[in-house]
Amino acid sequence: QLQLQESGPGLVKPSETLSLTCIVSGDSISSTSYYWGWIRQPPGKGLEWVGSIYYSGSTYYNPSLKSRVTISLDTSKNQFSLKLSSVTAADTAVYYCARGETNTNPSNFDYWGQGTLVTVSS
Amino acid sequence: QSVLTQPPSVSGAPGQRVTISCTGSSSNIGARYDVHWYQQLPGTAPKLLIYGNTNRPSGVPDRFSGSKSGTSASLAITGLQAEDEADYYCQSYDSSLSGVVFGGGTKLTVL
Repeated sequence: QLQLQESGPGLVKPSETLSLTCIVSGDSISSTSYYWGWIRQPPGKGLEWVGSIYYSGSTYYNPSLKSRVTISLDTSKNQFSLKLSSVTAADTAVYYCARGETNTNPSNFDYWGQGTLVTVSS
Repeated sequence: QSVLTQPPSVSGAPGQRVTISCTGSSSNIGARYDVHWYQQLPGTAPKLLIYGNTNRPSGVPDRFSGSKSGTSASLAITGLQAEDEADYYCQSYDSSLSGVVFGGGTKLTVL
């Protein structure tokens, strides 16, 4: 059974870099059938796609965040990571990692982590 | 504001049928990109409900169905149950924005 688990600091100071890792178990992130993505949800608000990465390392970012986002793979640890720089209070959200299936266009996210709340505050 | 417009809320009595609309444009749903639907129960992660416009993942009851026409898509729920009370989101791709987009979400209340 596929499982995804987000990990990282729950509190980040303004202007610093938010760093999260998604540990994947039950499947290989090197599979050619999937993307691996990050989606966030500010408290009380809707879902926002942050970005996705393919097994090849190709990345796709939300244009509104592109200048601040980096998503990377670590195949040796079967995990992928998110870095969001120069954060502000507007980046406070629950961050989810998810698996994206390539059998549709765009990918659908069929497995999700439980989510982790990241608060930006001094 | 999302480029995919959903009603903020819908409601229905147990056993009834409700529909949730997802209205887009020629740069997303109308451009033949697939629409997916997610159910988010309070305090939990979203769960894939419908993928590829009309398909149900294994384990999703056939009370849930999806459709797509032109620049809009819809999620229908028949035989409404108390456990269906949740937030529902549509998802697609927008070529003008060059990215994955979600609708603003619809809160379903079971009366």
